[in-house]
Amino acid sequence: NAGVMQNPRHLVRRRGQEARLRCSPMKGHSHVYWYRQLPEEGLKFMVYLQKENIIDESGMPKERFSAEFPKEGPSILRIQQVVRGDSAAYFCASSRPHGDTEAFFGQGTRLTVV
Amino acid sequence: AQKITQTQPGMFVQEKEAVTLDCTYDTSDPSYGLFWYKQPSSGEMIFLIYQGSYDQQNATEGRYSLNFQKARKSANLVISASQLGDSAMYFCAMRGSVDFGTGTSLTVIP
Repeated sequence: NAGVMQNPRHLVRRRGQEARLRCSPMKGHSHVYWYRQLPEEGLKFMVYLQKENIIDESGMPKERFSAEFPKEGPSILRIQQVVRGDSAAYFCASSRPHGDTEAFFGQGTRLTVV
Repeated sequence: AQKITQTQPGMFVQEKEAVTLDCTYDTSDPSYGLFWYKQPSSGEMIFLIYQGSYDQQNATEGRYSLNFQKARKSANLVISASQLGDSAMYFCAMRGSVDFGTGTSLTVIP
């Protein structure tokens, strides 16, 4: 799972700023998933993407959150106008076609909103 | 729709003993699979083991094994000879589902 790279590992933002979280999937993986983990809680699905396509965004908050996975470059999870409640660990995972194999996780980005 | 349930928020086990972490699932798919992941205090998610619904035998990976009971819709993780380094959160997930169970916190007591 060391192949999935997330950066930054830690991110501090003031309320109202934007947060950009990056995820580079494992080589050969074309599917990316984003999860949020609040302190002392489990993983909550946010969004599932293929290159240039959002497959499932049923877990994404309707406002301020967006995700993309362009043809070139990493997947980006973008949070606009952050609030204290956005403080969490955000994990990215990648896999080959959805459901065929396990997903490998990055080490997460810990977002702290002050 | 698929659903994963982990009913044990926390478990304790003596070092060198075996422990079973429960996971039940609900699915209407005839073909499915279950994964287990470990999340130590450092935060990363580590894949442990996978069981496919058509696999004839229970999956094993070193000290990890799955007690897969299809009729009961359960895929419990068994950790044998527990080590202090096994203390972590353990999550169950279903292939094709993007959701995980709520996790079980395992503490290994010296």
